[in-house]
Amino acid sequence: DAGVIQSPRHEVTEMGQEVTLRCKPISGHNSLFWYRQTMMRGLELLIYFNNNVPIDDSGMPEDRFSAKMPNASFSTLKIQPSEPRDSAVYFCASSARGGGETQYFGPGTRLLVL
Amino acid sequence: GESVGLHLPTLSVQEGDNSIINCAYSNSASDYFIWYKQESGKGPQFIIDIRSNMDKRQGQRVTVLLNKTVKHLSLQIAATQPGDSAVYFCAENPPQGSNYKLTFGKGTLLTVNP
Repeated sequence: DAGVIQSPRHEVTEMGQEVTLRCKPISGHNSLFWYRQTMMRGLELLIYFNNNVPIDDSGMPEDRFSAKMPNASFSTLKIQPSEPRDSAVYFCASSARGGGETQYFGPGTRLLVL
Repeated sequence: GESVGLHLPTLSVQEGDNSIINCAYSNSASDYFIWYKQESGKGPQFIIDIRSNMDKRQGQRVTVLLNKTVKHLSLQIAATQPGDSAVYFCAENPPQGSNYKLTFGKGTLLTVNP
């Protein structure tokens, strides 16, 4: 099992640029989560998809953030325009069913916005 | 709001000793708990989980204890090895209708001295 796959692993960009993060969940999992991790705030849930449908996006910081899941094997998190305060590690996780189940995390994308 | 917290932010042990990492949770209705290990530069990795109908669960060199009376969770690592050095997070699944959400603690940094 390849686990959750994320790309890119590292991203350095300038303020105002568009950033797109990608995730491939574990095959057969029907729930996908995007998290952001910072030293100050720890792990924060941004958005949760179940069967490719966004169920809860209450954690998305603002309109600059958007996420899509066009099919069961791919999701994107987009930041446009990016700001320095968006610098963080962004994790994608998937679980088999979503409810009270273990979430398996990807390696993360380390984003630095200058 | 209710949250998961950790008693000790850092723990330093000698190689070969047993480690105990503690976690206090405040939502007495939480029914599922997970311990994650996060090594530097990597995503959180599932270690072990436990449901609220149990008070102990053992894995390979790890044991999780759940004390619902005092709302306390602990992770015991036997014969701690240098490779166990990481940040350990506890997470709870509070049954708030949307039972997919995990509430993560701040994490405890475990350092194993050779």
